[in-house]
Amino acid sequence: GAGVSQSPRYKVAKRGQDVALRCDPISGHVSLFWYQQALGQGPEFLTYFQNEAQLDKSGLPSDRFFAERPEGSVSTLKIQRTQQEDSAVYLCASSLDRGNGEAFFGQGTRLTVV
Amino acid sequence: AQSVTQPDIHITVSEGASLELRCNYSYGATPYLFWYVQSPGQGLQLLLKYFSGDTLVQGIKGFEAEFKRSQSSFNLRKPSVHWSDAAEYFCAVGGGLTGGGNKLTFGTGTQLKVEL
Repeated sequence: GAGVSQSPRYKVAKRGQDVALRCDPISGHVSLFWYQQALGQGPEFLTYFQNEAQLDKSGLPSDRFFAERPEGSVSTLKIQRTQQEDSAVYLCASSLDRGNGEAFFGQGTRLTVV
Repeated sequence: AQSVTQPDIHITVSEGASLELRCNYSYGATPYLFWYVQSPGQGLQLLLKYFSGDTLVQGIKGFEAEFKRSQSSFNLRKPSVHWSDAAEYFCAVGGGLTGGGNKLTFGTGTQLKVEL
């Protein structure tokens, strides 16, 4: 597709359930970022991939959060044993080069943990 | 650590009036600065960015921003607001050894309402 695609758009999870959020970046984009946006807040950096290498995971809030990009294209953000504080919009962004080109954002996945 | 402050949570302007959204940043080196707009249910769209050079940056949709190093500011302006500009606006600073200019730290956003 022409833009960054995220699925599902909405996810309701029961507390303790595992979830997987998918990001399809723009084809050929080297860099991929995940951000978490809590209600009424700005997005916060979670993790960064350059191709298949996860170069920065300093923003992941706990070891329940795990991200991968095994073939350097599609990425999955997995949250284990979800908690209510995990409720947020998860945004994915990709950029063509290794960091300074324009980053294009997907529409996000809204996760609600009940 | 880098940070961004957007002091105005909500701003209301009349259609056709001028607009200025404030942004102050804290960063230890020359910053990469961005303004993004987010409409309900939509992802973030880049309005403009500053990496270096001319401190007055032109963006899409008639927006501009001015980088003032002495004030650590990067305020967004538009001379005449349209009703379709109603949205949330985020200022961001980018940088880092990994991720380059696109490892972004965002402000908390300013919600713009446009009165007809």
